[in-house]
Amino acid sequence: EAGVAQSPRYKIIEKRQSVAFWCNPISGHATLYWYQQILGQGPKLLIQFQNNGVVDDSQLPKDRFSAERLKGVDSTLKIQPAKLEDSAVYLCASRRRDVSYEQYFGPGTRLTVT
Amino acid sequence: AQTVTQSQPEMSVQEAETVTLSCTYDTSESDYYLFWYKQPPSRQMILVIRQEAYKQQNATENRFSVNFQKAAKSFSLKISDSQLGDAAMYFCAYYNAGNMLTFGGGTRLMVKP
Repeated sequence: EAGVAQSPRYKIIEKRQSVAFWCNPISGHATLYWYQQILGQGPKLLIQFQNNGVVDDSQLPKDRFSAERLKGVDSTLKIQPAKLEDSAVYLCASRRRDVSYEQYFGPGTRLTVT
Repeated sequence: AQTVTQSQPEMSVQEAETVTLSCTYDTSESDYYLFWYKQPPSRQMILVIRQEAYKQQNATENRFSVNFQKAAKSFSLKISDSQLGDAAMYFCAYYNAGNMLTFGGGTRLMVKP
């Protein structure tokens, strides 16, 4: 079974620029999550999708962050415009519908904003 | 809101020795799950071990075991016969149905040859 795929693995941008990250979850996993992990901290949930609907986006900074999951499979997370404090690793995770507790994580995208 | 606290930012262990990583959490729920995740330098987060709160027996996965103290809201991870490949960040995490997965701040484990 292929794991959660993410791209790009690394991205360096200047502040006020835009950036987008892509995630392909494990086949058949209905739930998809985006996390932000600042260096030295644990991951923090940004948004949760169930199929193509948003379940929880309470911690997503909606003035600059947006995410979508068209067709209930792949997802993209966008930051526009980026700030220095957005430098972090962005992790995508997915889980099966019938196993509520076990999430599988992708390798992450390391974003550096200069 | 649930909180997870890992009080040890860094730990060090000699190869082949045993080390215990600490975790405490705060919740008013009675039914939940606790996890230890490992994150090597490559950044892929891997589930190490899982404990269901309703189970009294401590979970064990090969060299990894937990000490789950529900009343004390404590969930420590013991790694026996430590190996160089165990070096990583370890995150304790809490989950209950309807809520998000909440992570602690992590413990960096170093393994000395």
